[in-house]
Amino acid sequence: QVQLVQSGTEVKKPGASVKVSCKASGYTFSSHYIHWVRQAPGQGLEWMGIINPSGGITNYAQKFQGRVTMTRDTSTSTVNMELSNLRSEDTAVYYCGRDGLLGSSGYIHYWGQGTLVTVSS
Amino acid sequence: SYELTQPPSLSVSPGQTARISCSGDALPKKYAYWYQQKSGQAPVLVIYEDRKRPSGIPERFSGSNSGAVATLSISGAQVEDEADYYCFSTDFSANQVFGGGTKLTVL
Repeated sequence: QVQLVQSGTEVKKPGASVKVSCKASGYTFSSHYIHWVRQAPGQGLEWMGIINPSGGITNYAQKFQGRVTMTRDTSTSTVNMELSNLRSEDTAVYYCGRDGLLGSSGYIHYWGQGTLVTVSS
Repeated sequence: SYELTQPPSLSVSPGQTARISCSGDALPKKYAYWYQQKSGQAPVLVIYEDRKRPSGIPERFSGSNSGAVATLSISGAQVEDEADYYCFSTDFSANQVFGGGTKLTVL
């Protein structure tokens, strides 16, 4: 069965960077895009961007361009999301999600368990 | 930037039909997707490509997309359906976006 297992809780200071990992299993890693979504406390879902694990090509939401970097490691079936220059408004649960389409970008079918990132001085 | 607009909240009695709308300019040309999120949990896909149900999702969940409005319907809503619901779609520049979410209360 498809599983996405994310790394654990992070606490960071303003101005620092955070890297969240998402390890995929139960399917062919390169065949499905991976999305990243975040949810601030008490707020809605916010789409951050997407990566094609096959070639590493990314598409970031305009809001995060310049601050977010998504990478993949095919040897470990892991996708990473790094967010830099953190501020308090970046405090949120970060989710990875596997696309439902084969070889293209459409929607999130399977979700990771979420990673809480707290930004506080 | 592209926006999908949902009502913030909706309240129905058990057994009634709940209808949650999602409006967006690109919806006449793009699919809508719907997610259910219960408190403290990751979202769950309940409708994809406007009207298809993933396996394991009860038949009382259905979707439609007409004009610039997509709708999630829950026929005979149950207390266990109480959750936040989000629509999801794409604009013409391949940017993907969630609606603001609708809090459904069943009581």
